[in-house]
Amino acid sequence: DGGITQSPKYLFRKEGQNVTLSCEQNLNHDAMYWYRQDPGQGLRLIYYSQIVNDFQKGDIAEGYSVSREKKESFPLTVTSAQKNPTAFYLCASSINTGTDTQYFGPGTRLTVL
Amino acid sequence: GQQLNQSPQSMFIQEGEDVSMNCTSSSIFNTWLWYKQDPGEGPVLLIALYKAGELTSNGRLTAQFGITRKDSFLNISASIPSDVGIYFCAGQHNAGNNRKLIWGLGTSLAVNP
Repeated sequence: DGGITQSPKYLFRKEGQNVTLSCEQNLNHDAMYWYRQDPGQGLRLIYYSQIVNDFQKGDIAEGYSVSREKKESFPLTVTSAQKNPTAFYLCASSINTGTDTQYFGPGTRLTVL
Repeated sequence: GQQLNQSPQSMFIQEGEDVSMNCTSSSIFNTWLWYKQDPGEGPVLLIALYKAGELTSNGRLTAQFGITRKDSFLNISASIPSDVGIYFCAGQHNAGNNRKLIWGLGTSLAVNP
């Protein structure tokens, strides 16, 4: 089946530790995105990548880092510099043409204790 | 970052009733998207709109791309309990390499059986 997978579904970390969230897609999409969602709020863009080995900061990139070494994978690292990391993280991908539709993974809920 | 004005913020209706929600923007969009998010899951695309004035249906759902290109609405007819969730609108400028989506804060729908 084609789709976007995120793992794990739930993740717990101690404060001060870096943590990496996985996102993989087999849709052959060029573009991938990371969003953060907090209760009662919409989706806020952290980072996005339109092509392998290239990525841009979104609206709330501070305290996060990404890499795009393969077309299928776009891992997100939540660093200890992120002041409020507990949130629901969503990965998405799109074909990256002029009229573009983003498709989402199931999300990872990160709780920092 | 920029956000869309999505209303209403929440709705509580009886099963069988019709539902209407809308999004407005101060700027023009070339694409409007409507997503539904179930609790703890990623958003799922419901309808994509690419042309001003376009009216598109997906089962009991109907969405329209406003003629001014600054608004869109989503209607759900004859609601059922599984319609419960949060509905998000998203707009895209598609200017140059800008693939970023601008998101509304969501409409939370509750359906009383």
